[in-house]
Amino acid sequence: DAKTTQPPSMDCAEGRAANLPCNHSTISGNEYVYWYRQIHSQGPQYIIHGLKNNETNEMASLIITEDRKSSTLILPHATLRDTAVYYCIVETSYDKVIFGPGTSLSVIP
Amino acid sequence: EPEVTQTPSHQVTQMGQEVILRCVPISNHLYFYWYRQILGQKVEFLVSFYNNEISEKSEIFDDQFSVERPDGSNFTLKIRSTKLEDSAMYFCASRVRGESYEQYFGPGTRLTVT
Repeated sequence: DAKTTQPPSMDCAEGRAANLPCNHSTISGNEYVYWYRQIHSQGPQYIIHGLKNNETNEMASLIITEDRKSSTLILPHATLRDTAVYYCIVETSYDKVIFGPGTSLSVIP
Repeated sequence: EPEVTQTPSHQVTQMGQEVILRCVPISNHLYFYWYRQILGQKVEFLVSFYNNEISEKSEIFDDQFSVERPDGSNFTLKIRSTKLEDSAMYFCASRVRGESYEQYFGPGTRLTVT
């Protein structure tokens, strides 16, 4: 099952950076860290993934610690549309995504 | 931007009836998946499909479920005899072949069994 720990909920002010933490202390050397989100009643949405290096795309940045035991997803300028449940997932299998409870992010006006 | 599509968006059926949920994955993707989400619960993996056969299935995916890729574009999930507890959102996903494992999900079909 999911090998990650995330806070159950977080708030963020609109326009500010949202920093979502994830612990994955048992991660092995070839396992990637993936982030997905699910906006209410919609299908999960892939955000970003990384192995060792920090990654950035048009949606977010992913900061992975040097020991790879934790990571942070950063939404640089959160908007109300970023209100969602965010899932940090560690996987090596191409066969399935195992969703944990995730972090419910509320972006507040 | 290419996306996964699913039809219908909402399906209501009576207990014991057969239902087929349809998905059109992204065109160059080779791996296909079904997930479900019971209201208020987490998204659960059902089955993965590659090269015209099931790669992996969960305990949920029993003999009442089947999947098929009848042509080059559609991917279907069939439930032979629906039960009340099959009521859920069903999400289709697909993935391109390669080293990256990210999956792209459709908007879902809400199945209501009465």
